[in-house]
Amino acid sequence: QVQLQESGPGLVKPSETLSLTCTVSGGSVSSGSYYWSWIRQPPGKGLEWIGYIYYSGSTNHNPSLKSRVTISVDTSKNQFSLKLSSVTAADTAVYYCARGYYYDSSYYPPGDWGQGTLVTVSS
Amino acid sequence: DIQMTQSPSSLSASVGDTVTIPCRASQGISSYLAWYQHKPGKVPRLLIYAASTLQSGVPSRFRGSGSGTDFTLTISSLQPEDVATYYCQKYNSAWTFGQGTKVEIK
Repeated sequence: QVQLQESGPGLVKPSETLSLTCTVSGGSVSSGSYYWSWIRQPPGKGLEWIGYIYYSGSTNHNPSLKSRVTISVDTSKNQFSLKLSSVTAADTAVYYCARGYYYDSSYYPPGDWGQGTLVTVSS
Repeated sequence: DIQMTQSPSSLSASVGDTVTIPCRASQGISSYLAWYQHKPGKVPRLLIYAASTLQSGVPSRFRGSGSGTDFTLTISSLQPEDVATYYCQKYNSAWTFGQGTKVEIK
């Protein structure tokens, strides 16, 4: 049974970079059968997709976040990470990491999620 | 950008009722549609993918239908534990979630 656990600062100052890590246990980020994603939920609002990465380094991210998003994989630590630059209060949210199944060039929606971590952007 | 619209934003039904939750895409997305259940303080749970394929372990009272632009999540015989917000999501190319429909018990 795979487990995903988000970690990182719970408080980030405006204009700084939000950095989160997702540690995977019971599975490998190097597996060609899965891809790894980030999703967030601002307080009182719905779910918002941030982006995902495949072990090969191929990525896709939400165009609305433009060039602020960087997602990477660290196979030596069995982790993947999110960096979101130039944050504002609008980036305050619960951030989830998740795993989805990859098959035949298709990214299936994620069925395994971390518990989520609240990140607040405030001075 | 393709928008996903869920309306109503909330609904109320009695235990045992059949509930239908619609989701509409602003352009055709074939069957690249998933449904999630999200309870307060819990992790979102994938219910259905490919518009109508039930995720492993999900009760059979949940059913998804539709293709192209119009999709529906049907909950047969609503149970108290089904109280949650339900999101549709398109997952071809860029992902987009609907705004969610909150289901409550009368």
